[in-house]
Amino acid sequence: KAGVTQTPRYLIKTRGQQVTLSCSPISGHRSVSWYQQTPGQGLQFLFEYFSETQRNKGNFPGRFSGRQFSNSRSEMNVSTLELGDSALYLCASSLMDRVYNEQFFGPGTRLTVL
Amino acid sequence: AQKVTQAQTEISVVEKEDVTLDCVYETRDTTYYLFWYKQPPSGELVFLIRRNSFDEQNEISGRYSWNFQKSTSSFNFTITASQVVDSAVYFCALSEAGGGADGLTFGKGTHLIIQP
Repeated sequence: KAGVTQTPRYLIKTRGQQVTLSCSPISGHRSVSWYQQTPGQGLQFLFEYFSETQRNKGNFPGRFSGRQFSNSRSEMNVSTLELGDSALYLCASSLMDRVYNEQFFGPGTRLTVL
Repeated sequence: AQKVTQAQTEISVVEKEDVTLDCVYETRDTTYYLFWYKQPPSGELVFLIRRNSFDEQNEISGRYSWNFQKSTSSFNFTITASQVVDSAVYFCALSEAGGGADGLTFGKGTHLIIQP
């Protein structure tokens, strides 16, 4: 069974631009969660989607948004990029709809904002 | 709000030594889940274990063992006879049954270095 895939793996953007990251969950998994990892703040929960609905959202500004499609693939969008948005963005999928189930993580997208 | 503390930022040991990674958590929920994840240099988080708050039995899996103590709010991880391949950053994480805005809360991680 293929694992969680994330595209692109690396991205370089400039301040003020927007970016869209993509995540394909493991086949059959309906829950997708997104996390931001930075050296200073560590791993922080962004949001969770299940059956195309946002179930939970972390403490991030409205510039961070996401969606999930009917095939469970998810996209995350960050508008008006800031230098502090430089991070590794990790996507995780799980079979069930709650964060307490085992989550399988993708390799991440490393975003650099210049 | 839930919180996870991994006080050890970095641990360096020589191969074959035993090493324990500490994890202390805070939560107001009576039902919660604790996890350990491993992040090798490649960056992908690898699931190691999940434990729910009602199951305080210690668990052993090969060279890995976990000690869960609700009385001290700790969920420590021990690697016996460490190997170079164990070198990675290890994260302890907590999730309350209600989910909510905190999602899965991670500790800052412990960077484990196993020297040959």
